[in-house]
Amino acid sequence: ETGVTQSPTHLIKTRGQQVTLRCSSQSGHNTVSWYQQALGQGPQFIFQYYREEENGRGNFPPRFSGLQFPNYSSELNVNALELDDSALYLCASSFSGRALDTQYFGPGTRLTVL
Amino acid sequence: AQKITQTQPGMFVQEKEAVTLDCTYDTSDPSYGLFWYKQPSSGEMIFLIYQGSYDQQNATEGRYSLNFQKARKSANLVISASQLGDSAMYFCAMRGFSGSGNTGKLIFGQGTTLQVKP
Repeated sequence: ETGVTQSPTHLIKTRGQQVTLRCSSQSGHNTVSWYQQALGQGPQFIFQYYREEENGRGNFPPRFSGLQFPNYSSELNVNALELDDSALYLCASSFSGRALDTQYFGPGTRLTVL
Repeated sequence: AQKITQTQPGMFVQEKEAVTLDCTYDTSDPSYGLFWYKQPSSGEMIFLIYQGSYDQQNATEGRYSLNFQKARKSANLVISASQLGDSAMYFCAMRGFSGSGNTGKLIFGQGTTLQVKP
């Protein structure tokens, strides 16, 4: 067991709505990264948070935003949902923000946008 | 730009036999790490093995070993003595360090589906 938890497990929303996904990092980890995985594809990096600051962002529009809290848990917020946002959203934590640290993933949240 | 290529969409292996999953990469970063993850149908991405670009020896973790050939830019995963529970999607991933700071992100390949036959 990795120790990274995510909630909810599944979520169904309609186009135009907003959604918040949550992630608790593994004990002792201060860095959280978020990834989007479309069906049949590899995960795509959304952004990373290190000690409550955004520390790198992938090619995602500003309607994808995030937060990291003092306990290093994190939220991913997506506004104005589109059909293409339907995917598995994975959260990963690592010991620090160093590039070569191993990232450990949670079970993911499956988001369906209708 | 960094890129990971996995050319085998699907692989079959007989139980108890060894299997090699291919991965090639491209990067201009002077230092980088290569990772393999396993993703069962449940969706969770499970870390298997890590190889640093300056590591002199190939990484091993139990039944998993990484055949790292830096000059050829390949990082193939070898699974020995396959088990039915090894049936899953396998992803090769890379994370670079440009020297100007932490790049932060893992770049993943498209994945290889492995099916172990009894």
